[in-house]
Amino acid sequence: QSVLTQPPSASGTPGQRVTISCSGSSSNIGSNYVCWYQQLPGTAPKLLIYSNYQRPSGVPDRFSGSKSGTSASLAISGLRSEDEADYYCAAWDDSLSGPIFGGGTKLTVL
Amino acid sequence: EVQLVESGGGLVLPGESLRLSCAASGFTFSSYSMDWVRQAPGKGLEWVSYISSSGSTIYYADSVKGRFTISRDYAKSSLFLQMNSLRAEDTAVYYCVRDRNGLDVWGQGTTVTVSS
Repeated sequence: QSVLTQPPSASGTPGQRVTISCSGSSSNIGSNYVCWYQQLPGTAPKLLIYSNYQRPSGVPDRFSGSKSGTSASLAISGLRSEDEADYYCAAWDDSLSGPIFGGGTKLTVL
Repeated sequence: EVQLVESGGGLVLPGESLRLSCAASGFTFSSYSMDWVRQAPGKGLEWVSYISSSGSTIYYADSVKGRFTISRDYAKSSLFLQMNSLRAEDTAVYYCVRDRNGLDVWGQGTTVTVSS
C-alpha cells in the first residue's frame, strides 16, 4: 500500500480539463516538494512537474501542479489522446529517508 | 545527449546475487545524486536506493536494506546496485535515475527476474 494516495483511474474527452489528486501526510507532502511523473505505455517514466508546480523544459504548459497542506494535484488542460498514460505523484518522506510514490493513476482519453 | 543505460539484469534463483550497472553520459556525473527505482510487473514505482553526488550519503528502502548496496565510480561515470539474497518480490524493471529537482532523467530499465 502506497503512502501517497491517488485515484486508480481518471478519464476525460479530448479538449477537457482533468485533475488528479495526491494525498499524503505531514512527513512527506506536508514538508517537502511534490513531483509528478508520466509513464506512457511500455516506456520509462518522465518528469512532468517538480517543486510542486515547476515544469522541466519541453513539458507543455497544459500540465500544471499545485500543492496545499498535505495534498497535491496535477491538472491537464486541453486533453489530448497522447496524454493517455499512468501518472505518479512523489515526495520525499522524512520518516522513511527516501522518496515515496503514489500508487499511480491511469488516465484514459475517451 | 544526456543518457543513462542500465545493464546486468537477468534471471536468477532465489537467494542468488546480481550486480546492476548504469552508464551515464552527456552530463557531469559527479555533480548529481543518483537513485535506483524499480517497478514490479503491472505495479507502480518503488524507490530502492539513493546516493549523493559525493557518495557520502546513502539511503535504502526498508525492503532492500541489508541486502542491496549502491555505489558509484566517478572515473567510469557509472552507478551500480549490488543485489544479494534476492527474493521473488525483487522481480522488477530496475531504473537508474538522475536526481536533481526531481528524478529528471531515467534510463530505459533492466529487467530482474527472481524465480526457481
